[in-house]
Amino acid sequence: KQEVTQIPAALSVPEGENLVLNCSFTDSAIYNLQWFRQDPGKGLTSLLLIQSSQREQTSGRLNASLDKSSGRSTLYIAASQPGDSATYLCAVIGSGSSNTGKLIFGQGTTLQVKP
Amino acid sequence: DTGVTQSPTHLIKTRGQQVTLRCSPISGHKSVSWYQQVLGQGPQFIFQYYEKEERGRGNFPDRFSARQFPNYSSELNVNALLLGDSALYLCASEGDRENEQFFGPGTRLTVL
Repeated sequence: KQEVTQIPAALSVPEGENLVLNCSFTDSAIYNLQWFRQDPGKGLTSLLLIQSSQREQTSGRLNASLDKSSGRSTLYIAASQPGDSATYLCAVIGSGSSNTGKLIFGQGTTLQVKP
Repeated sequence: DTGVTQSPTHLIKTRGQQVTLRCSPISGHKSVSWYQQVLGQGPQFIFQYYEKEERGRGNFPDRFSARQFPNYSSELNVNALLLGDSALYLCASEGDRENEQFFGPGTRLTVL
């Protein structure tokens, strides 16, 4: 059974700091991995999608890496800003037809960036 | 482009009642998935529909059911509501390329 873990559960940093959020998964047979942002009480905003054949994806100040063999992904946020404060979730889709469309989520890392 | 839309935004029900939640996917997307997110947890997969056919089901009781219409919009129904059904219900749509899922704003269901 696929399990996704995110560490740390919460993180508080001063503005301008570079930071790394971690995600690990127990079954390396994944189809893709997606990082999301969620503001309190809101829906999820897709940040980055990494296909299983890819090693990393970049969007602006965000960079996500994927190491399937070790079951790990990291989300790197450069020059953090107070507007980056939110909960960040990673999710994987397992390979195989029975897993089609089924995102398995971690519990998230709640980030606070202090001015 | 209009993103994924969901209605209603908030809903309050009492135990034993039934509820219907609605979702419209991004234009051109044929797949809709439903997730339940309890406070402090990551979302849990409930269903996925593709072109009106159920393509996946999570570990939820039969009180939960869904359907997809010819215009690809979807409804999630929950019967015999329990206090534990209180959650944010999220809908996601998926295009045919790359399987990236895009989420709506959610429906906050409170069961009293």
